[in-house]
Amino acid sequence: QLVQSGAEVKKPGSSVKVSCKASGGSVSSDFVSWVRQAPGQGLEWMGRIVPMFGTTNFAQKFQGRVTITADDSTSTVYMELSSLRSEDTAVYFCAREGRSAAAGSFDSWGQGTLVTVSS
Amino acid sequence: DIQMTQSPASLSASEGDRVTITCRAGQSISTYLNWYQQKPGKAPKLLIYAASSLQSGVPSRFSGSGSGTDFTLTISSLQPEDFATYYCQQSYSTPFTFGPGTKVDIK
Repeated sequence: QLVQSGAEVKKPGSSVKVSCKASGGSVSSDFVSWVRQAPGQGLEWMGRIVPMFGTTNFAQKFQGRVTITADDSTSTVYMELSSLRSEDTAVYFCAREGRSAAAGSFDSWGQGTLVTVSS
Repeated sequence: DIQMTQSPASLSASEGDRVTITCRAGQSISTYLNWYQQKPGKAPKLLIYAASSLQSGVPSRFSGSGSGTDFTLTISSLQPEDFATYYCQQSYSTPFTFGPGTKVDIK
């Protein structure tokens, strides 16, 4: 189970850091992705990390503005988004990728964290 | 980036109906295609992975098919709990991309 931190309200230009903790298990050797959903809109993949190795890759759209890190000792993954603008208002989900034939699919999701960017 | 499209954007159906949703990829993605169900205020739920493999715990009325660029999700007999939005997602290459969604509501 993935448990995310609570809702945030941020000013334009600031940063937000959202956490995602794996409870009852480890995601150390799994890919953990971040996916966001603007109000009334579809799903958008942002990037992912393998906590054990710290390796990451990102959608080009977010390159340079998003940082994904992991604390393997606490089974927690973090997503930090900087230079926030109103268009970043969205629910942010973390999701674990499946393995083998299910690689690249997201079989476990956090509950979502609403980030509101408003002056 | 691989563009994903879905049709229809929305549909109205009755309990017991057979429902088919189509997803098309902008290039061949073999069978690297996944389907999700999302209800309002909830995280998406994986239904089908690798185009046709049923995720554990998902009812057998859900099925998926296709390869290359064209895929379908079929619900053989729509149940009240199936009214939701359905998304396809390609896992052929990053950035992973999703279709725009198909909303299934009550006729």
